[in-house]
Amino acid sequence: NAGVTQTPKFRVLKTGQSMTLLCAQDMNHEYMYWYRQDPGMGLRLIHYSVGEGTTAKGEVPDGYNVSRLKKQNFLLGLESAAPSQTSVYFCAIRPGGLPTSYNSPLHFGNGTRLTVT
Amino acid sequence: AQSVSQHNHHVILSEAASLELGCNYSYGGTVNLFWYVQYPGQHLQLLLKYFSGDPLVKGIKGFEAEFIKSKFSFNLRKPSVQWSDTAEYFCAVRKTDKLIFGTGTRLQVFP
Repeated sequence: NAGVTQTPKFRVLKTGQSMTLLCAQDMNHEYMYWYRQDPGMGLRLIHYSVGEGTTAKGEVPDGYNVSRLKKQNFLLGLESAAPSQTSVYFCAIRPGGLPTSYNSPLHFGNGTRLTVT
Repeated sequence: AQSVSQHNHHVILSEAASLELGCNYSYGGTVNLFWYVQYPGQHLQLLLKYFSGDPLVKGIKGFEAEFIKSKFSFNLRKPSVQWSDTAEYFCAVRKTDKLIFGTGTRLQVFP
């Protein structure tokens, strides 16, 4: 799964601390997504980006910020972590730019397990 | 609110039993439909997808799914499950640029 690399793999934060999760891709894909996975809730879309310099809100954006300054990187920030943000975070990518790319599935990273105490 | 529903939260089967997992969505218009699988400790992988054409689509590992537009459904099936199919299965719907997932179904297959 070298195409999408998430760092860190694990992290424990205290309430109120901040951190940034990095998603890096080497596949030159346009679209990048951040999801969180919680038991019984499936995957919920936090934010996404359709290209360098663009971001958009997903289903559960509150408490998170994102940036896509470079095409290959998509950063997810928690300014003031809360226990409700304890989750596994997945980054996903897919190509864009061509009509056929619309049908492409997502390619996922291995996830970041975050615990907020 | 628009959503993706998976009504089976936890399914337990014996090997060789048949499987059908339900998926319903509430988005109108054109949608693209997917089933993903997540094996224990791993990331999500694509099982199959539907965009247009034949509503019965075949995926990897013997899985198939049928798109029934009138019912807004995209159920996943496998005639005979194996122990190695133990995993969590997610239905997903793409509408414009977003891919929205259902809550998942945990499948346990016992030998």
